[in-house]
Amino acid sequence: EDQVTQSPEALRLQEGESSSLNCSYTVSGLRGLFWYRQDPGKGPEFLFTLYSAGEEKEKERLKATLTKKESFLHITAPKPEDSATYLCAVTGVMDSSYKLIFGSGTRLLVRP
Amino acid sequence: DTGVSQDPRHKITKRGQNVTFRCDPISEHNRLYWYRQTLGQGPEFLTYFQNEAQLEKSRLLSDRFSAERPKGSFSTLEIQRTEQGDSAMYLCASSLDRGLGNTIYFGEGSWLTVV
Repeated sequence: EDQVTQSPEALRLQEGESSSLNCSYTVSGLRGLFWYRQDPGKGPEFLFTLYSAGEEKEKERLKATLTKKESFLHITAPKPEDSATYLCAVTGVMDSSYKLIFGSGTRLLVRP
Repeated sequence: DTGVSQDPRHKITKRGQNVTFRCDPISEHNRLYWYRQTLGQGPEFLTYFQNEAQLEKSRLLSDRFSAERPKGSFSTLEIQRTEQGDSAMYLCASSLDRGLGNTIYFGEGSWLTVV
């Protein structure tokens, strides 16, 4: 069964303090790994898709990387507006629906 | 591109009542998904449509839940005889079938509170 585990569950950073979020996954053939950002009371907002080990993608202060077993979301010099829940999800090659299997998320709080 | 639209955004209902949520996907997106999310958890898959055909349903989708997508456009999710355990955010999402680049976009969700 496809599974996604995210750590830590919650992370508090000072503004400017860089860190990384982890996403470990088990899937029968990875089609894609997705990162979303979710603000309280809102739907997930798409950030990145990674398809193969070694791939990296960047957007402003965020950088996502992928290995055969896990993905990292690196946050460089975060600002308070980066505070949100970050969700990781996978879809497998055996799944014709392309549905996403999500982890429980990491709640990030960046203090000024 | 107006994004995925969901209505209503919030619904409070008494236990035992029926509720219906509507989702308007991004125009021309042929794939449509419903998810459920409770506090502190990631979204959980409920059901999937490709055009008007409902092709997959999760074990989470009990007999009290029914979803439709007439003519492959908007979709509705109905919950009959609501229970307190149904309280959650119901998320609709859509995508365009482009093989590898199948990015799924979510709506803002419909919050359900059963009292």
